[in-house]
Amino acid sequence: EDQVTQSPEALRLQEGESSSLNCSYTVSGLRGLFWYRQDPGKGPEFLFTLYSAGEEKEKERLKATLTKKESFLHITAPKPEDSATYLCAVQAAGNQFYFGTGTSLTVIP
Amino acid sequence: DGGITQSPKYLFRKEGQNVTLSCEQNLNHDAMYWYRQDPGQGLRLIYYSQIVNDFQKGDIAEGYSVSREKKESFPLTVTSAQKNPTAFYLCASSIRLAGEQYFGPGTRLTVT
Repeated sequence: EDQVTQSPEALRLQEGESSSLNCSYTVSGLRGLFWYRQDPGKGPEFLFTLYSAGEEKEKERLKATLTKKESFLHITAPKPEDSATYLCAVQAAGNQFYFGTGTSLTVIP
Repeated sequence: DGGITQSPKYLFRKEGQNVTLSCEQNLNHDAMYWYRQDPGQGLRLIYYSQIVNDFQKGDIAEGYSVSREKKESFPLTVTSAQKNPTAFYLCASSIRLAGEQYFGPGTRLTVT
């Protein structure tokens, strides 16, 4: 069964305390893995697309990596404004999209 | 500025009434999508459209209907047949069916 699992469900970090969010997936033929940021009451904001194992993408304090079974979103020296829910989604060979339930990140000043 | 707009931001309806949620995009994207987001659950696909005048059911299409008469517009009607309509509804678009999707700001629908 195709599915996407994100962990942890919630994460609290001190400002400057680096950490990683995990997205593990089982899909038939990965066409792409996507990371989004969602603030409360708003639509998800696109961050990254990863297509193949070994690929990495960076944007400011965020770095996304991909293996054959999972992706990590590394957050380096986070700031309070990085607090949000981070969603992972995968697109399978038949173009179906599967979303994880997200990791709620809180960065404490 | 290119983007996706959804209106209204908040919508309140009485049980038994149909309601239509608006979604417009000026990104020149071919594909458009409707999702529903409930607390503790991942986004669930309601309907999607790959091209004008064509749309397909997603995982939870029962009680919903859509139309795609223009490339820019993909309205969603929540009918009285939808048993649990109260939710946050998100519209998205992508250049084509494959690839990253871009989301609108969402409409929070409350049915009492």
